[in-house]
Amino acid sequence: DAKTTQPNSMESNEEEPVHLPCNHSTISGTDYIHWYRQLPSQGPEYVIHGLTSNVNNRMASLAIAEDRKSSTLILHRATLRDAAVYYCILNYGGSQGNLIFGKGTKLSVKP
Amino acid sequence: EPEVTQTPSHQVTQMGQEVILRCVPISNHLYFYWYRQILGQKVEFLVSFYNNEISEKSEIFDDQFSVERPDGSNFTLKIRSTKLEDSAMYFCASKTTWMTPYGYTFGSGTRLTVV
Repeated sequence: DAKTTQPNSMESNEEEPVHLPCNHSTISGTDYIHWYRQLPSQGPEYVIHGLTSNVNNRMASLAIAEDRKSSTLILHRATLRDAAVYYCILNYGGSQGNLIFGKGTKLSVKP
Repeated sequence: EPEVTQTPSHQVTQMGQEVILRCVPISNHLYFYWYRQILGQKVEFLVSFYNNEISEKSEIFDDQFSVERPDGSNFTLKIRSTKLEDSAMYFCASKTTWMTPYGYTFGSGTRLTVV
């Protein structure tokens, strides 16, 4: 699986938007971009995924650069519950796709 | 919302003992996985399972590990002779289909402590 690069940590204020960046310059045409998060003492939780177009769901939005070499996870209004480690993972579209986790970005949310 | 259930939440065992970690995946899911996370480190893939056989396994998943789906609902991970370095959080996950775009659902994990 291709590698991703994320900042080690970020801070946000409650109720403000958060933009979590991810670089994946070696992404291939069949790699999907997945985001998972891991709250303290919990298992990873699926957030969102995309291939080429921007995506929205009830949890977040995913903005994918036109060249697909980077993406941004957007939390529209951060809450204290959003404090977690966020993982950006590339997954080859043709495989059973076990996930390869990096270190992710630790998001802190201040009240 | 459907959940992946893992039991026990915490298990303490003596070095050299066998342990079985249990998981109940989501009922209509077909693909099952075990991951582990040593304290302070990354989440690591152990094994994937489909159609009653192992699909893929990592280097970590050596002969001391085995997986089984003994009935239609449970999915177990057995460690035959535990070592201190097996102490970790073990997460079970499942997917409805192999197609990558679909997300995994993870359980809350079993914390294994080997003493």
